[in-house]
Amino acid sequence: RKEVEQDPGPFNVPEGATVAFNCTYSNSASQSFFWYRQDCRKEPKLLMSVYSSGNEDGRFTAQLNRASQYISLLIRDSKLSDSATYLCVVTTGKLIFGQGTTLQVKP
Amino acid sequence: GAGVSQSPSNKVTEKGKDVELRCDPISGHTALYWYRQSLGQGLEFLIYFQGNSAPDKSGLPSDRFSAERTGGSVSTLTIQRTQQEDSAVYLCASSAYTVGEQYFGPGTRLTVT
Repeated sequence: RKEVEQDPGPFNVPEGATVAFNCTYSNSASQSFFWYRQDCRKEPKLLMSVYSSGNEDGRFTAQLNRASQYISLLIRDSKLSDSATYLCVVTTGKLIFGQGTTLQVKP
Repeated sequence: GAGVSQSPSNKVTEKGKDVELRCDPISGHTALYWYRQSLGQGLEFLIYFQGNSAPDKSGLPSDRFSAERTGGSVSTLTIQRTQQEDSAVYLCASSAYTVGEQYFGPGTRLTVT
């Protein structure tokens, strides 16, 4: 079983839609959690950290469920510019990346 | 300030040759990671340096791969006797502390012919 698992997608949604991604992790001792974004043929960049109480940054909301060992990312009012691959990252001594979920927002 | 830089940006080499890829992390960052990413695939962890501790080499795919980090700063990833399956983008990232935000370099695109 992979340490961090994501549905690879692709998720194809119209502009303005709300979309949610989930990510599960296997190590209950994992300490920190992040979402990164990777545009085509570019390097990954931090989108947001994920806190135990959940956190929001504009149209983006991240949540953590330690009991079920998953984290989620919700994107509201999708924009064309949100099209990218979203990487779930879990730290257990070192950072472990998921395979990513691809989002394609259509006009 | 300057971000993570990598060189070369592109490298084409013949099968069987050795290559060296360089990473200059952000000044003061103690943690440095190497990953590789094949086309359309996720990030594959290769090796991790943290301060003066012994590196975590658990992701290196074979003994043809090695890496060093001199003076706690610049790192070099060496691939000996390259194979076609080594073709990928090699990404370096650094962070200020072990589990902090990682800043990625632009990567080196390696093509083995």
